[in-house]
Amino acid sequence: GAVVSQHPSWVICKSGTSVKIECRSLDFQATTMFWYRQFPKQSLMLMATSNEGSKATYEQGVEKDKFLINHASLTLSTLTVTSAHPEDSSFYICSAPARLAGVGGNEQFFGPGTRLTVL
Amino acid sequence: QKEVEQDPGPLSVPEGAIVSLNCTYSNSAFQYFMWYRQYSRKGPELLMYTYSSGNKEDGRFTAQVDKSSKYISLFIRDSQPSDSATYLCAMSDDKIIFGKGTRLHILP
Repeated sequence: GAVVSQHPSWVICKSGTSVKIECRSLDFQATTMFWYRQFPKQSLMLMATSNEGSKATYEQGVEKDKFLINHASLTLSTLTVTSAHPEDSSFYICSAPARLAGVGGNEQFFGPGTRLTVL
Repeated sequence: QKEVEQDPGPLSVPEGAIVSLNCTYSNSAFQYFMWYRQYSRKGPELLMYTYSSGNKEDGRFTAQVDKSSKYISLFIRDSQPSDSATYLCAMSDDKIIFGKGTRLHILP
């Protein structure tokens, strides 16, 4: 199958600091990756689409200057939460599409998530 | 009307029962339909995927897509306590859209 990893799995930081989260596709290449945020008992909320070699596309209401996305290679996308505040505390999940053998579509494979707590 | 509707539950059923999870959608352009399972504080895990209409079976899981009714279902046979999780439906044409997820509890 297609494996996506995230690092770190959890992080605690002070208010005002920046936090970087990495998303890697381990056994396939991904020109596109997606970043989601999930609050407790809520569904996934798409934040942005990360595109290798070009600028990320942000969903309405997501501040691009606060959530910096860099898709430096075909296997790595990073999300940096700048000047984090307690309201940014959430579960951040990335995903990448991978075409499975014998199937015509692109299925999304998710990383294990990163739990961010801002004090 | 939201693009994808899914009852959040929680849904509690006894061990061994058949579980039926459903989603409705409004966009007739959706072609790919998926079900994900998410355990608490974990990323979603792809369970089933279906292209267009029809049924697909994998072990105890069966996915059904009825495009004429814009309705998809996931059936779990012989449910186990380890099936307790949140189940998210998802569908896509170009962009993937998720349901809000249904919390399922299998009671031992």
